[in-house]
Amino acid sequence: QKEVEQDPGPLSVPEGAIVSLNCTYSNSAFQYFMWYRQYSRKGPELLMYTYSSGNKEDGRFTAQVDKSSKYISLFIRDSQPSDSATYLCAMSPSGNTPLVFGKGTRLSVIA
Amino acid sequence: GAVVSQHPSWVICKSGTSVKIECRSLDFQATTMFWYRQFPKQSLMLMATSNEGSKATYEQGVEKDKFLINHASLTLSTLTVTSAHPEDSSFYICSANLAGGADTQYFGPGTRLTVL
Repeated sequence: QKEVEQDPGPLSVPEGAIVSLNCTYSNSAFQYFMWYRQYSRKGPELLMYTYSSGNKEDGRFTAQVDKSSKYISLFIRDSQPSDSATYLCAMSPSGNTPLVFGKGTRLSVIA
Repeated sequence: GAVVSQHPSWVICKSGTSVKIECRSLDFQATTMFWYRQFPKQSLMLMATSNEGSKATYEQGVEKDKFLINHASLTLSTLTVTSAHPEDSSFYICSANLAGGADTQYFGPGTRLTVL
């Protein structure tokens, strides 16, 4: 079993839809959870960061962490064509350690 | 904001040659930089952790003699792919840690290496 599992998609939704992206993980030591957005042939860009369990909201984006289920989610409301990208979840047990990434989910928002 | 650059952004080389990729933190100092490799439609896989002034720590399965890492200063780390082969063709991405936190890793734009 891989440390971080993420459905690679592709996921195609109409503009304005609510998008739900998910990752599961096996390492209970993970404390830091991140979501990155990566456009084609570019480096990842940090979208959301959550420490331990709970929810975090930033504009159209909401991140949820359920440590008891080892499950994290990213919700995108009112999705836009500009949201079309690959979304990667990443996590780590402590602050200055390398991140463990999911495979990434490719999202297409159709106008 | 914190900016990390990589040079070159893409490179094509012949099999057997060596290629050097630079990773720079432009407006902050980073004692730790990470090097990742990403194959098409795959996730980022950590290759090594680079610490300024000391030897890099390589992940299992990554040949340290093939992928030479030098963290010469607090703003520069280099990855040299020695005797490159077609199977080394990939997208190489570095990240630099601004403040030692999980949310303060900033990624470079990546370098696409194609070995013919």
